[in-house]
Amino acid sequence: GAVVSQHPSRVICKSGTSVKIECRSLDFQATTMFWYRQFPKQSLMLMATSNEGSKATYEQGVEKDKFLINHASLTLSTLTVTSAHPEDSSFYICSASYGSGSHRSQFFGPGTRLTVL
Amino acid sequence: GDSVTQMEGPVTLSEEAFLTINCTYTATGYPSLFWYVQYPGEGLQLLLKATKADDKGSNKGFEATYRKETTSFHLEKGSVQVSDSAVYFCALSPGGGADGLTFGKGTHLIIQP
Repeated sequence: GAVVSQHPSRVICKSGTSVKIECRSLDFQATTMFWYRQFPKQSLMLMATSNEGSKATYEQGVEKDKFLINHASLTLSTLTVTSAHPEDSSFYICSASYGSGSHRSQFFGPGTRLTVL
Repeated sequence: GDSVTQMEGPVTLSEEAFLTINCTYTATGYPSLFWYVQYPGEGLQLLLKATKADDKGSNKGFEATYRKETTSFHLEKGSVQVSDSAVYFCALSPGGGADGLTFGKGTHLIIQP
């Protein structure tokens, strides 16, 4: 149980284009999903918290107009990187919160490798 | 703000050796603490967690105890295997798994046969 998928796993795009990444909870409903960014040999950095049916909450320094997040259902959140540039190349990982009370944990998707040429 | 500091690797051990990966944290209140593992080519997997002081999380032979007095959550295993080779991340969440996680930089563990 508690499986999270991401699509696509890899994407290469030209500078200036937009890219959409999907995050799905396959066997549970997630009212809250999270988006992280991981640079090579670095830690994961929280970008934003996505709540179903409401606007995402972005961490300081993350441009909300560049990283558009939509959480339209209890099993799907999307991250759209708009007008991508080479510096946006990174590994993007989503997670979904599952469980209740002290048993609540985050389960992570396999990540999406974005390369902007 | 919150932060997590863990020993940076790579850490190289022989099979059956004793493992300790240090992790200390800075946070307000009483965060929940986690260890995640990332095997080569795979996503992060929850290894163990602890939600309050003196709690011990354990899984697959790994253990970590939430020490509030030393703000630490060190990961230990008595006898490592080659299959334990991976990157290990210590993390905290102020509100349990309901809030975004703050991660350490990760420790690359290499176990040699």
